[in-house]
Amino acid sequence: SAVISQKPSRDICQRGTSLTIQCQVDSQVTMMFWYRQQPGQSLTLIATANQGSEATYESGFVIDKFPISRPNLTFSTLTVSNMSPEDSSIYLCSVEDRDRVSNEQFFGPGTRLTVL
Amino acid sequence: QKEVEQNSGPLSVPEGAIASLNCTYSDRVSQSFFWYRQYSGKSPELIMSIYSNGDKEDGRFTAQLNKASQYVSLLIRDSQPSDSATYLCAVDPGNTGKLIFGQGTTLQVKP
Repeated sequence: SAVISQKPSRDICQRGTSLTIQCQVDSQVTMMFWYRQQPGQSLTLIATANQGSEATYESGFVIDKFPISRPNLTFSTLTVSNMSPEDSSIYLCSVEDRDRVSNEQFFGPGTRLTVL
Repeated sequence: QKEVEQNSGPLSVPEGAIASLNCTYSDRVSQSFFWYRQYSGKSPELIMSIYSNGDKEDGRFTAQLNKASQYVSLLIRDSQPSDSATYLCAVDPGNTGKLIFGQGTTLQVKP
């Protein structure tokens, strides 16, 4: 499976600021996804990031709050804008296996965000 | 109504026993099902994928799928303390890659 890295691994931010999270993959992948895991909760999909097109957002998530870039097939960023304490979560990127027959997804190590 | 349901647990089993983790889903047309393991403070790790009715075995893990009952399970044989983690069931209803996760079941394997 692909090797996925995320930066930063964790951060503590002030209310009202923004943080950009990077996701880097060691191979080209068509589909990348961004998930959020709130404390004690399971994972919720934020958006799908495909190269060459606008990200598609799930219900409850908007581009102004979570702008996403996907400049190439190995990299994506998620920005958490105008943060509030409710944004304190782990943010995870995932990639789908190139073999579309299986559509297995693999996750990066996550970015643990705390907003004060 | 949640789309993927799991008992949150904790499920406690003795070392060497079989752990049985269950998951139900609401979308009848779902075709892709996944089990992830998540250790505390770590990201989810894919254990198994299953797409067809029946059993799929990989080492000590067996995934079972029953689409008629909208039920998927994970059996862990010869459970080890290192298997203690949260197990997440995920479903891809539209085969789009958009995974819907259950709340996860916490497994505790006691030596």
